[in-house]
Amino acid sequence: EVQLVESGGGLVQPGGSLRLSCAASGFIFSSYWMHWVRQAPGKGLVWVSRIFHDGSSATYADSVVGRFTISRDNAKNTLYLQMNSLRLDDTAVYYCARGGADYSNDYWGQGTLVTVSS
Amino acid sequence: DIQMTQSPSSLSASVGDRVTITCRASQRISSYLNWYQQKQGKAPKLLIYGASSLHSGVPSRFRGSGSGTDFTLTITSLQPEDFATYYCQQSYSSYTFGQGTKLEIK
Repeated sequence: EVQLVESGGGLVQPGGSLRLSCAASGFIFSSYWMHWVRQAPGKGLVWVSRIFHDGSSATYADSVVGRFTISRDNAKNTLYLQMNSLRLDDTAVYYCARGGADYSNDYWGQGTLVTVSS
Repeated sequence: DIQMTQSPSSLSASVGDRVTITCRASQRISSYLNWYQQKQGKAPKLLIYGASSLHSGVPSRFRGSGSGTDFTLTITSLQPEDFATYYCQQSYSSYTFGQGTKLEIK
């Protein structure tokens, strides 16, 4: 069974940093692209970032370029999102998701809440 | 950037109804269109990928169609567990979600 479990969310002040983790199990992690998607309270889904299966390439939404860094440790079956210079509008539930067929997101974690507030 | 527009934004229907949700892309995206279901407080779940392919374990009452710029998600006979919010997503150039369609019980 595919499982994705996010952790690392919490309350942080504007300008602060946070690192999210996503522990993967039930599939060959090193064979799949991985994504981060976020959802602000009461709002819709917004794609944040994607990383190739081997970590060789990463892309980002314009809103997080230069502030967020996606990475992965295939030996630990873990995906990361380093978030720096956090802003109030980064407040959201952050989901990790596996890259599936036709560039879909076929499995999702339960999400971790990041709250940016002073 | 490719924009995705869903309609309607909300919809009321009854168990057993046939429901159609529309998604329009601001430019042609071939068949790189995916549909997700999200229930309140839960993570999204993939329903349809590649415009019309059913994800594993998804009931056959969910059907996707379209190509180019216009796509539809049809639920042929609504069940109580189908009341949720539905999102389309283009994966042709980067990734963009529609704003969502909330399906409520009439």
